[in-house]
Amino acid sequence: KAGVTQTPRYLIKTRGQQVTLSCSPISGHRSVSWYQQTPGQGLQFLFEYFSETQRNKGNFPGRFSGRQFSNSRSEMNVSTLELGDSALYLCASSPGTSGMSLRTDTQYFGPGTRLTVL
Amino acid sequence: AQSVAQPEDQVNVAEGNPLTVKCTYSVSGNPYLFWYVQYPNRGLQFLLKYITGDNLVKGSYGFEAEFNKSQTSFHLKKPSALVSDSALYFCAVRDNFGNEKLTFGTGTRLTIIP
Repeated sequence: KAGVTQTPRYLIKTRGQQVTLSCSPISGHRSVSWYQQTPGQGLQFLFEYFSETQRNKGNFPGRFSGRQFSNSRSEMNVSTLELGDSALYLCASSPGTSGMSLRTDTQYFGPGTRLTVL
Repeated sequence: AQSVAQPEDQVNVAEGNPLTVKCTYSVSGNPYLFWYVQYPNRGLQFLLKYITGDNLVKGSYGFEAEFNKSQTSFHLKKPSALVSDSALYFCAVRDNFGNEKLTFGTGTRLTIIP
């Protein structure tokens, strides 16, 4: 099975611009989560989507948004970029079946998108 | 709220020696615990998880972890370290109610010295 893919792998933007990152989950996986990784803050949860609905959300400003399509592919968007948004953005997919398995599911990560804001 | 602590930012181990990467957690209910490894310019790779049952969990690449409920710990171990084990290791936790998000520790950089 192919793993989680993320595009693009690298992005350079300037302050004030907006950016869209894409994630294709493992085939059959219905849950997609997004994380921001920075040297100072570590790994921080952004949001999770399941069946095209946002199921959980982290503590990020409204400039960060996402969506999931019917084929489980997901995009995240950051508007009005700030220097502090420079980070590695990681996407993870999991089967996302119902019940307690939601909590026991393993998340499988993509290689990430390295965003640099100048 | 759930949280994870990795008390050591850096661990150095000689090749061939046993290694331990420490993790302690705090949750309201039962914990579901995970270990991931990250190599430079790569995403996180899943190593192992504890859900229930046997306190000793075996995972990928010869790694294992021991769940200790009384000490709220989930330390990652390997009997004989390889240079290729050098990487950044993350412990993560979910609990069994409330928000389902996965909470990560700050990471431990493991360096295996030849």
